[in-house]
Amino acid sequence: QKEVEQNSGPLSVPEGAIASLNCTYSDRVSQSFFWYRQYSGKSPELIMSIYSNGDKEDGRFTAQLNKASQYVSLLIRDSQPSDSATYLCAVNPGNQFYFGTGTSLTVIP
Amino acid sequence: EAQVTQNPRYLITVTGKKLTVTCSQNMNHEYMSWYRQDPGLGLRQIYYSMNVEVTDKGDVPEGYKVSRKEKRNFPLILESPSPNQTSLYFCASSLSSGSIRQFFGPGTRLTVL
Repeated sequence: QKEVEQNSGPLSVPEGAIASLNCTYSDRVSQSFFWYRQYSGKSPELIMSIYSNGDKEDGRFTAQLNKASQYVSLLIRDSQPSDSATYLCAVNPGNQFYFGTGTSLTVIP
Repeated sequence: EAQVTQNPRYLITVTGKKLTVTCSQNMNHEYMSWYRQDPGLGLRQIYYSMNVEVTDKGDVPEGYKVSRKEKRNFPLILESPSPNQTSLYFCASSLSSGSIRQFFGPGTRLTVL
């Protein structure tokens, strides 16, 4: 079983809508969870990190963590065409990092 | 400017010809890591290093070697490259393994013929 699973998409939303990205993980030991954004041909960049159950908001982005159900999600409000990218979920159970395969998001103007 | 640099950015080589991809960071980070990214498989950790002279295998270490003789440098060595090592490689660093943010290098696209 993969450590981290994401729907590969593609996910398309109209400009101004809410984009919802989901991720499940298998290792119950995981304490740290991350969302990275990767534009085509570029390196990943961190958007959000979350460590506790519940919601964490940063501007238009909200990360949600539910450790009992082993899922973490990312909501992007008021989606913009510049949000079109691949979003990678990552977990950090100890010293290693495990990434999902990423969800491709397209925001349609 | 705080950054992670990788060289070369692009490399085409032939099977069996030893190569090294360099990685350097200027942020005094303890934790450094190498990843490969393949379509459908995502980003997979090859090796990581908690500090100087401390390295550990990640998920896909076969066919790779690393060394950490200095804090800033973490080269990736392919002693006998094979076509299945054709991939996009990223080096990353962070203050520690539990640090919030990993900084990624620009990537090295390797093709092994």
